[in-house]
Amino acid sequence: DIQMSQSPSSLSASVGDRVTITCRASVPIDNYLNWFQQKPGRTPKLLIYGASNLQNGVPSRFNGSGSGTDFTLTITSLQPEDVATYYCQQSHSVPIFSFGPGTRLHIK
Amino acid sequence: EVQLVESGGGLVKPGGSLRLSCEASGFTPSNFFMSWVRQAPGKGLDWVSSISASRNFTYYAESVKGRFTISRDNSKNSLYLQMHSLRAEDTAVYFCARSYGFNTFYYAMDVWGQGTTVTVSS
Repeated sequence: DIQMSQSPSSLSASVGDRVTITCRASVPIDNYLNWFQQKPGRTPKLLIYGASNLQNGVPSRFNGSGSGTDFTLTITSLQPEDVATYYCQQSHSVPIFSFGPGTRLHIK
Repeated sequence: EVQLVESGGGLVKPGGSLRLSCEASGFTPSNFFMSWVRQAPGKGLDWVSSISASRNFTYYAESVKGRFTISRDNSKNSLYLQMHSLRAEDTAVYFCARSYGFNTFYYAMDVWGQGTTVTVSS
């Protein structure tokens, strides 16, 4: 099974900051990597698919990059509404998926 | 509007059974991979099971293999998760999700239901 890890597990930043979340796969997964945002009490929302492709309607301040085993989600200018937990997910072994443990993002 | 609505959650004793349903609207679920994902209280997302689009091949996480069965009824635009031999660690919100093939090969869960809560406790 492909295992996913994320760092940091929790992050606090100020409005306007550049924020970076890292995801690592246990084996190379090319660019079969998705990012989700889950706000408190809400359903997960797809942000990025294929490592770097922005889902329709997602603000352009969200960027994804990486390939192989190491991936990054960047928020270029943090906004108050970005408070959420962010999960990476591999789709290399679809339809068997696996998620990272999540990164909880707070505002300072 | 594309939508998924789950139902069937509840309180069940350890060793008991429960059947979750997920009704789709605004699209034809038989054309998509469909999955169940769960989230234990205060924990992260955990993939449970998927069913393929055309031939209904099924796939399960090791933690539920042999206890859970995923199925679909195309005439009702519905997805199901039959759960047996339930354990305390199965307590979670269960989401159904559609997997869309972006550019035909980047699969991602682009539509999610609101979830249904399963509590396993004596």
